[in-house]
Amino acid sequence: RKEVEQDPGPFNVPEGATVAFNCTYSNSASQSFFWYRQDCRKEPKLLMSVYSSGNEDGRFTAQLNIASQYISLLIRDSKLSDSATYLCVVLRGGNQGGKLIFGQGTELSVKP
Amino acid sequence: EPEVTQTPSHQVTQMGQEVILRCVPISNHLYFYWYRQILGQKVEFLVSFYNNEISEKSEIFDDQFSVERPDGSNFTLKIRSTKLEDSAMYFCASNPEIFNTEAFFGQGTRLTVV
Repeated sequence: RKEVEQDPGPFNVPEGATVAFNCTYSNSASQSFFWYRQDCRKEPKLLMSVYSSGNEDGRFTAQLNIASQYISLLIRDSKLSDSATYLCVVLRGGNQGGKLIFGQGTELSVKP
Repeated sequence: EPEVTQTPSHQVTQMGQEVILRCVPISNHLYFYWYRQILGQKVEFLVSFYNNEISEKSEIFDDQFSVERPDGSNFTLKIRSTKLEDSAMYFCASNPEIFNTEAFFGQGTRLTVV
C-alpha cells in the first residue's frame, strides 16, 4: 500500500467549477500535512499547510481528519491558472529533519 | 525573497561517469534534503542532512550516492557512477525547522544519463 494515496487524475473542469481532491495516508506517525502545487517540470511549491481544524486561503480550503487519516483540498471558482498537479504531502520523522512523503499527484486542467 | 538555488539546471552525462549536483540552501536554514523525481513519477525522498551529518536516507540512496556541505553554504549530491535509471529531476530543499513549516525547494537539476 502506498504511504500517501491520491485520487488518480486527470481532472478536467471548466473555469468557475468547484473541484475536490482527496488523499489518504497510511502511517499514523505522520506529523504535518501539506498540499503542494507542481507545474510541469518545475519544483513543488507549498500551496497550504493542513490543520485538523480546517483552514482556508481564498478559494482554497483544506481539511484534515486524523482519525480516518484523510486529507482534502477544495478549490472554488477555478481559474485557468489553477491548472497544475496537486501533491498531497505528509511529514514523517524524528527530531533531525524528518522527511516529506509525496503522493503521486492529481493533475488538474481548467478549460475556458 | 530568499530562495534555494541549484546548479546546473540541466546536466547530461555518460553512464558510469561521476556527477555533482550543487545547491545553495537558504542561509539561516538548518535542515537540508535531496529529493528526486523520475519523469512521470512521484517525488521521492533521498536523504536528509542536519548538523553536518546525514539524518536519514532512503533505500534509493545507496553507496553510489553521497552528500556534503563542504563550506557552510553549498550542499552537494554526488553520484559516483551514474546509471541510466539515475535520469531524473533532482530537487534540493531546506527548512528552518521541522514541523509545520514550509520546505523550500530549488528549481531542480535535470540529470540525463546517456
